[in-house]
Amino acid sequence: SQKIEQNSEALNIQEGKTATLTCNYTNYSPAYLQWYRQDPGRGPVFLLLIRENEKEKRKERLKVTFDTTLKQSLFHITASQPADSATYLCALDGEGGATNKLIFGTGTLLAVQP
Amino acid sequence: SQTIHQWPATLVQPVGSPLSLECTVEGTSNPNLYWYRQAAGRGLQLLFYSVGIGQISSEVPQNLSASRPQDRQFILSSKKLLLSDSGFYLCAWNQRGGRYEQYFGPGTRLTVT
Repeated sequence: SQKIEQNSEALNIQEGKTATLTCNYTNYSPAYLQWYRQDPGRGPVFLLLIRENEKEKRKERLKVTFDTTLKQSLFHITASQPADSATYLCALDGEGGATNKLIFGTGTLLAVQP
Repeated sequence: SQTIHQWPATLVQPVGSPLSLECTVEGTSNPNLYWYRQAAGRGLQLLFYSVGIGQISSEVPQNLSASRPQDRQFILSSKKLLLSDSGFYLCAWNQRGGRYEQYFGPGTRLTVT
């Protein structure tokens, strides 16, 4: 079955720097990959979706890359701000795109220091 | 615009008691609906999903059940709660027809004592 690995250790960075979070998967290449943000005690919020035939996707200060050879996605936040502090979840389609079911990683906690 | 509601926000229940969590979606029709559980320090675990009224797929054998009595209403139930049912329960929806991103409700924090 598909497994997703996100760095369980918190990522601490200084305000203004670029934060880079990693998502690795172990099995079949997903049809798409998504990133979500989750604040404590809240539901996840969708940020970006990248498809298997896309190398890179951008939205404002966010950038996602997708390398199907490495089975990895990188999530970048440029010019990070303390308000970006949250847990970021990676999610893949659960059955190779056959359904809308998602498999989520455990998330990486990002802490941006002022 | 679409909104998703869950209630209650928090719940403390004794072992062996029943459970009913409700989720409703507004501003859309024929959504796919999902129930997830998030245990402390763990990822989101998909419990149930539904593509239509009365159509429920269970992902993990467990002490819970789900129902969809109306198009935009999704209910999570249990007849007898276990300690292991404690967690953060999230309802989510997405639109059928190629839009894969999911939209989550505010969640219900369930503590079984």
